[in-house]
Amino acid sequence: NAGVTQTPKFHILKTGQSMTLQCAQDMNHGYLSWYRQDPGMGLRRIHYSVAAGITDKGEVPDGYNVSRSNTEDFPLRLESAAPSQTSVYFCASSPRDRAPLSQPQHFGDGTRLSIL
Amino acid sequence: AQKITQTQPGMFVQEKEAVTLDCTYDTSDPSYGLFWYKQPSSGEMIFLIYQGSYDQQNATEGRYSLNFQKARKSANLVISASQLGDSAMYFCAMRVPRDSGGGADGLTFGKGTHLIIQP
Repeated sequence: NAGVTQTPKFHILKTGQSMTLQCAQDMNHGYLSWYRQDPGMGLRRIHYSVAAGITDKGEVPDGYNVSRSNTEDFPLRLESAAPSQTSVYFCASSPRDRAPLSQPQHFGDGTRLSIL
Repeated sequence: AQKITQTQPGMFVQEKEAVTLDCTYDTSDPSYGLFWYKQPSSGEMIFLIYQGSYDQQNATEGRYSLNFQKARKSANLVISASQLGDSAMYFCAMRVPRDSGGGADGLTFGKGTHLIIQP
């Protein structure tokens, strides 16, 4: 089915290990973003990309890196995981960069990441 | 900066009753969009309804309606005739223009309301 696919769904890391969360969309959407969801905090944006080769920081970017080499994929990398990065991570897309405000974002099913 | 406030951490409602979930927002942008998302226990984020700042009428989508009071900066979600399947987390969110060239910024979310529908 078309949509935003996130892998893995669950993962456990040890402090200091590295990890890449995968996000792939097959709707030819231009705008992709990563959010983290923590209890009592809602969702907060980490990084986003408006097109291949263009990325920018969101509200909580520290400790995370992203790249966008093509339209479909937007991986999120944790270089040295910390317990504070234990969270549920969502990737979201919108059809294009210059989308109207009314355009909702389509979310993947999330990746639940625990860092011990 | 934008801010969304949801003051109800949790709500218990009897099945078939109407539910109002509160949302207030703050932004200096005259143009903005307001969204409601539902997150069931399975975890996915489901888009429910949208209201634009210039929309003259309140948005409606089936059993969902948005009570938009612009002067009070409030955008409450109303669910009519609640069902057991409505039990979930509900998030209010806002988007504003990213820059003067157009295009929308990402979503700013509230902390959510956990709604439980009781039989």
